[in-house]
Amino acid sequence: DVKVTQSSRYLVKRTGEKVFLECVQDMDHENMFWYRQDPGLGLRLIYFSYDVKMKEKGDIPEGYSVSREKKERFSLILESASTNQTSMYLCASRSPGRTDTQYFGPGTRLTVL
Amino acid sequence: DQQVKQNSPSLSVQEGRISILNCDYTNSMFDYFLWYKKYPAEGPTFLISISSIKDKNEDGRFTVFLNKSAKHLSLHIVPSQPGDSAVYFCAASVSGGYNKLIFGAGTRLAVHP
Repeated sequence: DVKVTQSSRYLVKRTGEKVFLECVQDMDHENMFWYRQDPGLGLRLIYFSYDVKMKEKGDIPEGYSVSREKKERFSLILESASTNQTSMYLCASRSPGRTDTQYFGPGTRLTVL
Repeated sequence: DQQVKQNSPSLSVQEGRISILNCDYTNSMFDYFLWYKKYPAEGPTFLISISSIKDKNEDGRFTVFLNKSAKHLSLHIVPSQPGDSAVYFCAASVSGGYNKLIFGAGTRLAVHP
């Protein structure tokens, strides 16, 4: 089974802090994704990476950056956290192929005070 | 502008009856559709998918129907069980490129004994 893990389940930060969210997958997948989930909006793509050191902006990249130094690890960075970044953050990975199935981690509930 | 819409935020069904979850899309280029299921405090898990070359795909109690002319798909769960209570997300993608998934807002299904 594919396993995607996220470094924290719950995180509380203050406005202006730099926040790192880590994601690790153990299936040697090339593609990795970061989403945020908000009520009434579903999952929205922040950034994705199709290979090591490669990244592409998703639909809502403002206020975020990412890092992919190793194939198994994809980090989401909030340079200066703001209250409107309070959300559930979900990481996913996928092996390129015929199916678009993505495998998700359990999520990090981030609260910015 | 939401390209994938789930207009019912919630649905309540009695155990043993049929659950029907609906999803509409606006982008005629979408050619692959997926349903994900999400329990609280867990990441979404893949449930079932359908390619645009088909109009039906069945997997046990779950069937997805696709009506391309109406840009509409639905997920049928028969018979519904209490363990099916979760949030269901519809997602769509366009083949080629990075195959990004576009998610709907989700429908919360509650199956009552």
